[in-house]
Amino acid sequence: DAGVIQSPRHEVTEMGQEVTLRCKPISGHDYLFWYRQTMMRGLELLIYFNNNVPIDDSGMPEDRFSAKMPNASFSTLKIQPSEPRDSAVYFCASSLSSGLRNTIYFGEGSWLTVV
Amino acid sequence: DAKTTQPTSMDCAEGRAANLPCNHSTISGNEYVYWYRQIHSQGPQYIIHGLKNNETNEMASLIITEDRKSSTLILPHATLRDTAVYYCIVLRSSNTGKLIFGQGTTLQVKP
Repeated sequence: DAGVIQSPRHEVTEMGQEVTLRCKPISGHDYLFWYRQTMMRGLELLIYFNNNVPIDDSGMPEDRFSAKMPNASFSTLKIQPSEPRDSAVYFCASSLSSGLRNTIYFGEGSWLTVV
Repeated sequence: DAKTTQPTSMDCAEGRAANLPCNHSTISGNEYVYWYRQIHSQGPQYIIHGLKNNETNEMASLIITEDRKSSTLILPHATLRDTAVYYCIVLRSSNTGKLIFGQGTTLQVKP
C-alpha cells in the first residue's frame, strides 16, 4: 500500500521566494497533519485537518505560512515569503478517525533549505 | 500530558530481544502510551500503543505495568534495521496529533 507521499523531497530556495510543499495522504484517512522538525525545536505540529477542514492551526508560526486541503487526497503547505529560519524538515502525516487518530503515519519529509 | 523518562541509549545484539523501558509516573487514567521511532533521515514511524492491557502487533509488544507508571517496548528479534531513536509518548486521545518527542532512546543493534 502506498504511504503518505510528499513532494518535493528536497528544496533549496532563496530567501523571499515562495515555497509550496505537497502531500497525498493515505487513501481513506480523514486526518491530515503538517509537522516541522528541527534540531533546536524538535517535532512541532503546525496544523491538522479533519475531513479536509482545518481544525487546529495554532502551531502555524506566522502569517507567512498557510495550508490548504482542497480534497481528501491532496494538501499543500505554503511559505511566502520564505526566510532562512524556515529551514527544516516538513512532514505530512495522516490517520484514521475515532480512536486511531493518534496512530499517525508519516511521509518521508520535505527537506527545505532557505539561503 | 504526562512526562516520560527514557534511557538515552541502549545496545542490542542482532537477533536478540530489545527491551526499551519508559517511565511515566504521572500518567492519568485517560492517557494512552504510544511508541514511535525515527530512523535516521526518515519520517517517524508508529509502532504500537496501549491504555492498560499489554498489546502486541507485527512489529512489537508493549507491556504496561499494573499501576501504569511504566512500560516496556519489546522488539522480539532485533535486526540492524531496527537501529533508530525510539520515543515513548503519553497522550490523551483528545490531544489530536500533539506528539511531543523527547530525547528518546537511541537503540543501536549490533551484528
